[in-house]
Amino acid sequence: EPEVTQTPSHQVTQMGQEVILRCVPISNHLYFYWYRQILGQKVEFLVSFYNNEISEKSEIFDDQFSVERPDGSNFTLKIRSTKLEDSAMYFCASTPRIMSGELFFGEGSRLTVL
Amino acid sequence: GESVGLHLPTLSVQEGDNSIINCAYSNSASDYFIWYKQESGKGPQFIIDIRSNMDKRQGQRVTVLLNKTVKHLSLQIAATQPGDSAVYFCAEKTFGNQFYFGTGTSLTVIP
Repeated sequence: EPEVTQTPSHQVTQMGQEVILRCVPISNHLYFYWYRQILGQKVEFLVSFYNNEISEKSEIFDDQFSVERPDGSNFTLKIRSTKLEDSAMYFCASTPRIMSGELFFGEGSRLTVL
Repeated sequence: GESVGLHLPTLSVQEGDNSIINCAYSNSASDYFIWYKQESGKGPQFIIDIRSNMDKRQGQRVTVLLNKTVKHLSLQIAATQPGDSAVYFCAEKTFGNQFYFGTGTSLTVIP
C-alpha cells in the first residue's frame, strides 16, 4: 500500500542550526501539508502546498520556515536558525483530492534542538 | 486559527464495552469533520469522516455523529478492543482544504 515516507526519523541539532526534513508524498496526491506536534500536545497545522505553491500557512510558519518541492517526488520543510521550542514531531501529510476528510500521514520526523 | 477541542483528555473502558469520544468544534464553515487515531510514536491515521450535511455515518465498528446545532462531534467505537488504545483526535476540514486538529483524547482499553 502506498505510504508517505519521511526522513530522517530523528534529528538532533544545536540551537541556531538549520535543518531540512524530507517527505515523499504518495505519488498521485496533489495536496501536501506539514504539521507539528509538540510532545503530548495536539497536531498543529504549519503549511499546505498545492500546484507548486503555498496555499495556506499558519501563524507558526514564519520566516524561519520554508517549504519546497524540488522535484516531482520530494517535499521538504526547512527550519532556519532552530530554537529550543522547535523541538517536536514534524508530520508530512498528503491527500489526492479535496472532496474527502482523509489525510495520509507519514510516520514523522522527531526534531530535538539542544 | 480554528478551535477544535475535546471534552475529556482521557478515557478508560473495559474490553468489549462501547467507547464514546466527544469533541466540540467552533467553525461552522467546515465541510468535513474527521476522526484520527494516533498510536504511540506514529503519525495520525484516518478512521472516518462525515460531511457537514450529514448527521451520522457508520464504518466498521465505528460511528460518527455530528450535531451541528450544538457543534458537537462524537466517535463511537463498538466492542472496544485492546488495539483501540490510542489517542483520538477530531479534526475539521475547511472549504479551503485546511485541516485543523483538536487536543486529543487518550483511550485506554482495560483487558
